[in-house]
Amino acid sequence: AQRVTQPEKLLSVFKGAPVELKCNYSYSGSPELFWYVQYSRQRLQLLLRHISRESIKGFTADLNKGETSFHLKKPFAQEEDSAMYYCALQNAGGTSYGKLTFGQGTILTVHP
Amino acid sequence: NAGVMQNPRHLVRRRGQEARLRCSPMKGHSHVYWYRQLPEEGLKFMVYLQKENIIDESGMPKERFSAEFPKEGPSILRIQQVVRGDSAAYFCASSPRRTYGLGLAGIHNEQFFGPGTRLTVL
Repeated sequence: AQRVTQPEKLLSVFKGAPVELKCNYSYSGSPELFWYVQYSRQRLQLLLRHISRESIKGFTADLNKGETSFHLKKPFAQEEDSAMYYCALQNAGGTSYGKLTFGQGTILTVHP
Repeated sequence: NAGVMQNPRHLVRRRGQEARLRCSPMKGHSHVYWYRQLPEEGLKFMVYLQKENIIDESGMPKERFSAEFPKEGPSILRIQQVVRGDSAAYFCASSPRRTYGLGLAGIHNEQFFGPGTRLTVL
């Protein structure tokens, strides 16, 4: 069965410090992984996806198949990065048709 | 495009009543996913629907829960005879077509989420 684990429920850093939100997964096939973010009083939105290999708002995430990880990183955190972050895995095909499996989420707080 | 709409945003029911949650997908989207978030947990997949078809309901509880996405109108998640354990946030997401990865089309389609309905069962 597929599973996504975010070991940190809460993460606090100071502005300008590096931040890393951890995500580990288990999946028998070839995974597609995403980071979603939910800012205060806003809806869940896609932050980035591993296949795009892009940097969004200074965040990057590299899929490490050997360690089955997809950690989210940013070298210099900003106060506006404070939010709830979810790592998610998507079924790439078969009968599950792209449903997302989410981790428990990490609340990031960036202090001034 | 107003985005995915869900209503009501908050719903309070007493044990034994029925709860109906509505989801209007984004314009042009014909695929709808429902997710449930229990307190202190992440979102969990419930059901995936296309217009007039249930494609994957592997995450739906076997009893009391049903979902539909009619040809006209919003998708409905219906919970009969609610119990306290049904208290949760229910999110729906829509996509323009089946979301999958590097398959024949080589295209990934994003799921766009609604604001959620927070159901409280007294």
